[in-house]
Amino acid sequence: GAGVSQSPRYKVAKRGQDVALRCDPISGHVSLFWYQQALGQGPEFLTYFQNEAQLDKSGLPSDRFFAERPEGSVSTLKIQRTQQEDSAVYLCASSLDISSEQYFGPGTRLTVT
Amino acid sequence: ELKVEQNPLFLSMQEGKNYTIYCNYSTTSDRLYWYRQDPGKSLESLFVLLSNGAVKQEGRLMASLDTKARLSTLHITAAVHDLSATYFCAVDIRRDDKIIFGKGTRLHILP
Repeated sequence: GAGVSQSPRYKVAKRGQDVALRCDPISGHVSLFWYQQALGQGPEFLTYFQNEAQLDKSGLPSDRFFAERPEGSVSTLKIQRTQQEDSAVYLCASSLDISSEQYFGPGTRLTVT
Repeated sequence: ELKVEQNPLFLSMQEGKNYTIYCNYSTTSDRLYWYRQDPGKSLESLFVLLSNGAVKQEGRLMASLDTKARLSTLHITAAVHDLSATYFCAVDIRRDDKIIFGKGTRLHILP
């Protein structure tokens, strides 16, 4: 079956632009996670949804970051007024439920110039 | 706050040799994961370790977990070039909802 998909795979934004990153989880997966992976580092947790409810957003680095999952399936991570330090790979993962293994998408590589 | 430390962070080794990557974590955990990441690719799940003393093997890779020592190891036997990648351990706590990753070990196997 299809895995987690993300789009776009690559995004170049000028500083100050807004970007929107999309994640399509595995069908039927209740939990959805966003991670940020800086170059040469491990992924860092950003936020987590259970269905449409955002249960934890403690990892979002600033109020410029916003995530939503309005119908409990597809999720969008939005970054407003992008800064150079936002350059990273943004990984999405989904799991059947909170206690199950997470499956990762291919990531979106964001470069802010 | 849960912290996950891996060592070494970089490892260059000859084909055919054995080596071990270590993963220490700071608080009680419900499960530990090992992932592989190739350059420009996403994370591939290798092992999920659930209990003290758990040992899992796949090909030339073997992972073990000692929950009392808060230590997991990933052992590589008779390394081959195809195993060159970055390996991450990650830990979660059931009462929390996030996985905490180590910084990764970049493994370079020389032919």
